[in-house]
Amino acid sequence: ETGVTQTPRHLVMGMTNKKSLKCEQHLGHNAMYWYKQSAKKPLELMFVYNFKEQTENNSVPSRFSPECPNSSHLFLHLHTLQPEDSALYLCASSQSSGSIYEQYFGPGTRLTVT
Amino acid sequence: AQSVTQLDSQVPVFEEAPVELRCNYSSSVSVYLFWYVQYPNQGLQLLLKYLSGSTLVESINGFEAEFNKSQTSFHLRKPSVHISDTAEYFCAVSDRSRDSSYKLIFGSGTRLLVRP
Repeated sequence: ETGVTQTPRHLVMGMTNKKSLKCEQHLGHNAMYWYKQSAKKPLELMFVYNFKEQTENNSVPSRFSPECPNSSHLFLHLHTLQPEDSALYLCASSQSSGSIYEQYFGPGTRLTVT
Repeated sequence: AQSVTQLDSQVPVFEEAPVELRCNYSSSVSVYLFWYVQYPNQGLQLLLKYLSGSTLVESINGFEAEFNKSQTSFHLRKPSVHISDTAEYFCAVSDRSRDSSYKLIFGSGTRLLVRP
């Protein structure tokens, strides 16, 4: 699957570290999404960007900071995380968020906060 | 706001047996429904979707789901499963945000475990 790529695939960080997750889509889409997938819980939508504008912030703590410099790239900047933030972070893209389009997902970044 | 319930966290089944994964959603005037599959160490892939028209939708690998408005259900079925169908299956429903954009609300997932 090369449509949506995510780096790194695995990340271990301490609570005082600063790191960034990267997502890139090669599908010509205009909407991009960050999801958090924790064990035994439904996928949680974190942020939505449509045409580089943030359209959804699902009450995410400020220690998560998204950035969308263009429609193909999406970042999630992390700082002073907590152990409960350990999860699989999934990026997705779709044609736009203004209508119902299929979302294409990346393989995710497995984050462990120690 | 929409919500999705997947009652079964895990469904074990023998190879070549039929399977049904249950999904119920909260009622809405109009609804769009999806099933996604997640294989180990991979992201989610769309399996099938209901947007309008025929209430029975099919995927290319033998799965089907039926939209039942009166029961607010969108159960996923396959008449004969393979070992390779072992994966996590997520039901999702569309929801409109205040700015009229769409987002997906996911269920907690059902792990299908196919045994030889």
